[in-house]
Amino acid sequence: AQSVAQPEDQVNVAEGNPLTVKCTYSVSGNPYLFWYVQYPNRGLQFLLKYITGDNLVKGSYGFEAEFNKSQTSFHLKKPSALVSDSALYFCAVRLMMDTGRRALTFGSGTRLQVQP
Amino acid sequence: ETGVTQTPRHLVMGMTNKKSLKCEQHLGHNAMYWYKQSAKKPLELMFVYSLEERVENNSVPSRFSPECPNSSHLFLHLHTLQPEDSALYLCASSPMGQGDTGELFFGEGSRLTVL
Repeated sequence: AQSVAQPEDQVNVAEGNPLTVKCTYSVSGNPYLFWYVQYPNRGLQFLLKYITGDNLVKGSYGFEAEFNKSQTSFHLKKPSALVSDSALYFCAVRLMMDTGRRALTFGSGTRLQVQP
Repeated sequence: ETGVTQTPRHLVMGMTNKKSLKCEQHLGHNAMYWYKQSAKKPLELMFVYSLEERVENNSVPSRFSPECPNSSHLFLHLHTLQPEDSALYLCASSPMGQGDTGELFFGEGSRLTVL
């Protein structure tokens, strides 16, 4: 079975500092990996994804993520945090070849708090 | 505007009521999903419809009854719910075939409170 772990319930960072939100995954095959963001009282918005190719993926709002197959990780990063980045972040996985199951499996979410 | 519209955005109901959540997608997708989001828990997949056929049902209690009359509309019928069913219910859609790029497109959610 596929699963995703986000080990931190909350990450606090000062505005202007780099941020990292951690994600590890467990699948039996090659994964599709995703990051989504959720602002208060809103749905999930897609940030970026890794399917194949370059291990460093760039996405919306200046975010990027690095796929590390040996460590089964897909950490979300941003060089300089903004107060407006404060939100709930979800990592998700889907099996690349499992075309019969399109649904994503999500982690429990990490709340990012950026202090001014 | 995300292309996936959920109504109502907020719903309060008693345990004996019958209500429905509605989802409509304007993206031409063929697959639709219901997820449940409870506080401090991972998003829980409830149902998946592919080309209007239910392809996944994650052991959801029968008090939740989905309906997908066509590829643009998805309903979640609610009957005799429990207070622990209070949550944010998220609808999502995705393309199939060559247009399938992996990600799901979510609506804004319906916040359900069961008294």
